[in-house]
Amino acid sequence: EVQLVESGGGLVQPGGSLRLSCSASGFTFSSYWMHWVRQVPGKGLVWVSRINNDGASTSYADSVKGRFTISRDNAKNTLYLQMNSLRPDDTAVYYCAREGAEMGDYWGQGTLVTVSS
Amino acid sequence: QSVLTQPPSVSAAPGQKVTISCSGSSSNIGNNYVAWYQQLPGTAPKLLIYDNNKRPSGIPDRFSGSKSGTSATLGITGLQTGDEADYYCGTWDTSLSPFWVFGGGTKLTVL
Repeated sequence: EVQLVESGGGLVQPGGSLRLSCSASGFTFSSYWMHWVRQVPGKGLVWVSRINNDGASTSYADSVKGRFTISRDNAKNTLYLQMNSLRPDDTAVYYCAREGAEMGDYWGQGTLVTVSS
Repeated sequence: QSVLTQPPSVSAAPGQKVTISCSGSSSNIGNNYVAWYQQLPGTAPKLLIYDNNKRPSGIPDRFSGSKSGTSATLGITGLQTGDEADYYCGTWDTSLSPFWVFGGGTKLTVL
């Protein structure tokens, strides 16, 4: 069974940093591109970042470019999102999602990041 | 402001049919497959339709998808109270770098 489990969310002050993790199981993690998508509670889905299967290629939304870094450790079946210089408008639930032949065929349960003083 | 445009809400009675529209452009819907997601309250999005009109295993055939030009439509027949959820369309956008774009979501109310 495919499972994606996010962790690392929490309360952080503006300007602070946080690293999210997404632990994958039930599939060959190294064969799939992976994405981070965020959702402000009560609002819509917004794509944040993606990484290809071997980690050599990454892309970011303009709103996080230069502040967030996506990475992966295929030996540990884990996806990461390093978030620096956090702002209040980064407050959201962060989901990791798999891109197979289909867009977003599996999603994690999400982890809440709250940026507030 | 979402890249794809969906109506904020739709409603219908149990047993009825409803459609949800999703409008985009040539850089996204016009040249890429569309997916639809169901998000029940307090849960993660779940893939409902992929490649415009295909259903993953376990998704009932009450759910259907179609695409024409730069627009897509989700159809749900035989509405049930358990279908009350937010529905999102999504696709790739190739205008700069292939990445995902979504609609703003449509809240389905089963009256």
